[in-house]
Amino acid sequence: EVQLAESGGGLIQPGGSLRLSCAASGFTFTDFGMTWFRQAPGKGLEWVAYINQDGSEKYYVDSVKGRFTVSRDNAENSLFLQMNSLRAEDTAVYYCGRGTWGPAYWGQGTLVTVSS
Amino acid sequence: DVVMTQSPLSLPVTLGQPASISCKSSQSLVYSDGDTYLHWFQQRPGQSPRRLIYKVSNRDSGVPDRFSGSGSGTDFTLKISRVEAEDVGVYYCMQGTHWPRTFGQGTKVEIK
Repeated sequence: EVQLAESGGGLIQPGGSLRLSCAASGFTFTDFGMTWFRQAPGKGLEWVAYINQDGSEKYYVDSVKGRFTVSRDNAENSLFLQMNSLRAEDTAVYYCGRGTWGPAYWGQGTLVTVSS
Repeated sequence: DVVMTQSPLSLPVTLGQPASISCKSSQSLVYSDGDTYLHWFQQRPGQSPRRLIYKVSNRDSGVPDRFSGSGSGTDFTLKISRVEAEDVGVYYCMQGTHWPRTFGQGTKVEIK
């Protein structure tokens, strides 16, 4: 069974940093690109970042470029999102998803709250 | 960026009646491989999104056949043939053809 489990969310002050993790299981991790999404409270879904199977290709939404970095550890079947210079508008539930074109599998999400 | 425009944004439906959601993109979603990467997601209250339809018209495993997708180019539609209580939630279209990927605003389906 495909499982994706995000962790690492929490309350952080503006300007701070946080590293999210996504533990993958139930499939061959190296066969798939992986994606981060987010959803601000009461708002719609937003695509955030993508990394391909070997980590050689990465894409970001403009609002996080230069602040967020997506990475993966294929030996550990894990996906990461390093978030720096956090802003109030980054407050959201962050989801990881499997795939390049539009994920069939999503995690349960982890809440990031940026507030002083 | 490709703008995805859904309508309506709110859709009150009577149980057992059909429902239809439109999604229009600002650019063609036909990729260089000939496929069209337009997908539909359902998000029930308090849950993670769930993909219902991929590449315009393909139902994901376990999705009831009352859900169907159609369209081409820049104009797409999700139809529910007979709405059931479990269909309450927000529906999103998403394009996976261009970077960055983008979603529609979401359509909230509720029971009248």
